[in-house]
Amino acid sequence: KAGVTQTPRYLIKTRGQQVTLSCSPISGHRSVSWYQQTPGQGLQFLFEYFSETQRNKGNFPGRFSGRQFSNSRSEMNVSTLELGDSALYLCASKRAGSNTGELFFGEGSRLTVL
Amino acid sequence: QKEVEQDPGPLSVPEGAIVSLNCTYSNSAFQYFMWYRQYSRKGPELLMYTYSSGNKEDGRFTAQVDKSSKYISLFIRDSQPSDSATYLCAMSAISGGSNYKLTFGKGTLLTVNP
Repeated sequence: KAGVTQTPRYLIKTRGQQVTLSCSPISGHRSVSWYQQTPGQGLQFLFEYFSETQRNKGNFPGRFSGRQFSNSRSEMNVSTLELGDSALYLCASKRAGSNTGELFFGEGSRLTVL
Repeated sequence: QKEVEQDPGPLSVPEGAIVSLNCTYSNSAFQYFMWYRQYSRKGPELLMYTYSSGNKEDGRFTAQVDKSSKYISLFIRDSQPSDSATYLCAMSAISGGSNYKLTFGKGTLLTVNP
């Protein structure tokens, strides 16, 4: 069974640009969450989507947005990039009906903002 | 006070040592407690999870939860160089209906030296 797939794995952008990251969850998983991971702050929750609806949202500015498609694939977008947006962006999916909250992570998209 | 506190280390031990990793938390609503392992340049993967207080053992790994003290631990016996990774604790509580949301510690970087 394929795991969570994220693309692209690495990307470099400059300040002011925007970026779109893609995530394909494990087949049958309908919940997709996004996290930002940095050495200083650790894993920080961005948002969660379930059946194309945002179910939870973290404390990030409106420059960070996401969406989920009918096939459960998800994208997140960051507009007007800042240097501080450099991070590993992790996508995770969750099995429907999970009563533990267990997340299955992809390998991440490493964004560098110059 | 952050919801979950975890000493970031780094922690360096010789091969064969017993390793103790710990997290404290402040939210008494947390019910499920997990440990994730993250190798360099990879996404986190679930190592163990426990429900409420008590111990759980899986091979060389033992997870302990003390809800009265709001303290969780992961013990690694006979540590191996392949255990070198960042270990993240994570906890979940119901967030709206039956939805469980995970909150992570910042992670502890462990190096096991041959």
